[in-house]
Amino acid sequence: GQQLNQSPQSMFIQEGEDVSMNCTSSSIFNTWLWYKQEPGEGPVLLIALYKAGELTSNGRLTAQFGITRKDSFLNISASIPSDVGIYFCAGLWVQGAQKLVFGQGTRLTINP
Amino acid sequence: DAGVTQSPTHLIKTRGQQVTLRCSPKSGHDTVSWYQQALGQGPQFIFQYYEEEERQRGNFPDRFSGHQFPNYSSELNVNALLLGDSALYLCASSLAGTGLVSYEQYFGPGTRLTVT
Repeated sequence: GQQLNQSPQSMFIQEGEDVSMNCTSSSIFNTWLWYKQEPGEGPVLLIALYKAGELTSNGRLTAQFGITRKDSFLNISASIPSDVGIYFCAGLWVQGAQKLVFGQGTRLTINP
Repeated sequence: DAGVTQSPTHLIKTRGQQVTLRCSPKSGHDTVSWYQQALGQGPQFIFQYYEEEERQRGNFPDRFSGHQFPNYSSELNVNALLLGDSALYLCASSLAGTGLVSYEQYFGPGTRLTVT
C-alpha cells in the first residue's frame, strides 16, 4: 500500500531559527496536505497543495508540492514557541473515496 | 461556524466489550472519514462515509463498522475490543457533493479509547 516517509522524526531548535521537513513516497499523490497536532488535540490543517510544483505560503509557513508528485516539504521561518507540536504530511489518495495517507510525523521542540 | 465535534472525549472499556463513538461534521460538509491514531504514529484510515454508505475501507477488520445518518453525522462501532484497539480515534469531515469538491479534511479533537 501507499506509505509516506517523513523526516526528520524530531527536531530540537532555538527560537528564531528556520525549520525544514520533508515527506517522500513511492506512490504518486494528487494532493498533499500538511497538518499540525498538539497534545490532546486532533490534527489542524496548515496548508493544502493541489498541483505539482505548487508553492504555497500561510504566514511563516511555506510548503511545496514536488514536481514528481511523490514528495513535499514544509518550511517554517523564524520559529516561535507556539510552533511546538507534531507536524504531519498527508497524501490524498482519490480513488472512489478520499483517503489520507499520513507520514509518521516530525516532532518539533523549541528552546526559548 | 461549528467545527468537527466528537464524543465522548475519553472512554475506558474492557476486552471483549463493544464501543460506539460519535462524530458531527463541520457545517456544510457531507463526508466523514474515521482514522485510528496509535501513540507516536500518524493517523491510519479506517473508512469513509458519504451519502450514508461506506465508500472505502482501510486495512481494518470487520469488527470495525460505521454508520452515517441523514444529517451527515456518523458513528464508529468496534466490537470484541482488543488491547491493541487502544488509540485516539479521529473523525474528519470534508465536502464531496456534486460540483463542489474539497479535498481538505478537517479533524475533530478525537476520542481517546483505552481497552483494559
